[in-house]
Amino acid sequence: NAGVTQTPKFQVLKTGQSMTLQCAQDMNHNSMYWYRQDPGMGLRLIYYSASEGTTDKGEVPNGYNVSRLNKREFSLRLESAAPSQTSVYFCASSSQGWDNEKLFFGSGTQLSVL
Amino acid sequence: GDSVTQMEGPVTLSEEAFLTINCTYTATGYPSLFWYVQYPGEGLQLLLKATKADDKGSNKGFEATYRKETTSFHLEKGSVQVSDSAVYFCALNSGGSNYKLTFGKGTLLTVNP
Repeated sequence: NAGVTQTPKFQVLKTGQSMTLQCAQDMNHNSMYWYRQDPGMGLRLIYYSASEGTTDKGEVPNGYNVSRLNKREFSLRLESAAPSQTSVYFCASSSQGWDNEKLFFGSGTQLSVL
Repeated sequence: GDSVTQMEGPVTLSEEAFLTINCTYTATGYPSLFWYVQYPGEGLQLLLKATKADDKGSNKGFEATYRKETTSFHLEKGSVQVSDSAVYFCALNSGGSNYKLTFGKGTLLTVNP
């Protein structure tokens, strides 16, 4: 059982380049999320998708876009990467939103923007 | 707004020592409380949770009790193992229609043999 799969695991970009982080889950979950993890900051929500066909901004959405391609897949796009976007990015999913339900996390993408 | 405050790390213990990681929170209403653990090179995993006051969450020898009067959810384990070395995150969900799980900054635990 793969759970939540993220690609790539590592990426180095130059300032101004674009890229898309891919995420897929095989647990038939309705809700999916993108977080970033920075030292001393904990995890911060970038965007989430409560259900297929919907997306909403989280705490730190600036500089990012998302697409909920279908129920399984939720991608995160950086249109013009900046050094401030150097971080570890985690995708997560849950079966029915937040209340009393746990999140399942992918193993993360380590992104460096030079 | 909602917030979670965890004790600063890193925490270094010897095997079989007692562990406490403090967590306090500020939230509207009656949040659900969680501890997540992140092992090296992996994503976060739910360790335990509590959904109402005085509930005790427990898993893998770890325990935490939801204390509404002190707005706390401290993580404890009586005898840690080397395999418990990880980063521990306290989190809360204040519910409602706003999808937002608020995490603390994390506490790095290292257990030495």
